[in-house]
Amino acid sequence: EDQVTQSPEALRLQEGESSSLNCSYTVSGLRGLFWYRQDPGKGPEFLFTLYSAGEEKEKERLKATLTKKESFLHITAPKPEDSATYLCAVRGYGQNFVFGPGTRLSVLP
Amino acid sequence: DAGVTQSPTHLIKTRGQQVTLRCSPKSGHDTVSWYQQALGQGPQFIFQYYEEEERQRGNFPDRFSGHQFPNYSSELNVNALLLGDSALYLCASSLAGEGRAFFGQGTRLTVV
Repeated sequence: EDQVTQSPEALRLQEGESSSLNCSYTVSGLRGLFWYRQDPGKGPEFLFTLYSAGEEKEKERLKATLTKKESFLHITAPKPEDSATYLCAVRGYGQNFVFGPGTRLSVLP
Repeated sequence: DAGVTQSPTHLIKTRGQQVTLRCSPKSGHDTVSWYQQALGQGPQFIFQYYEEEERQRGNFPDRFSGHQFPNYSSELNVNALLLGDSALYLCASSLAGEGRAFFGQGTRLTVV
């Protein structure tokens, strides 16, 4: 059974304080690892797709990396507007997404 | 270009009633998936529709059913509502063969 766990459950950072979020996964035949951002009461917003170990993607202050068992979302010099829940999901042979529980990020000014 | 749109945005129903939620996919997308997201949890897969047929189903009872129309829009129906069905229901659209999916803003269903 495909599974995704995320840590930490919640993270509070000061503005400018860099950190990383972890996503650990088990999946039969990885067909993509996805990072989404979700603001309260809204739908997830697509950030990145990673397909193979060693792959990296960047967007503004965010950088996602992938190994065979984990993915990391690195946040460099975060701003208060980066506060959100960050969701990790995998897609295997089943075609659907299996999501983790998310990491709630708060960036304090 | 309109993204994924869902209606209604909020809904309050009484236990035992039936509800229908609607989704219009992003222009050009042919695949629609539905997810249930309880408060503080990640989305859980309900089912996926492609070419008007249910292609895959998650671990949800038969009270949850759906439909996809020729224009690729979709409906999610839930019968005999339970208090535990209260959640944010998300619709995601994608193009068959492509990885990423785009989500709507969700429908917040409250069962009282």
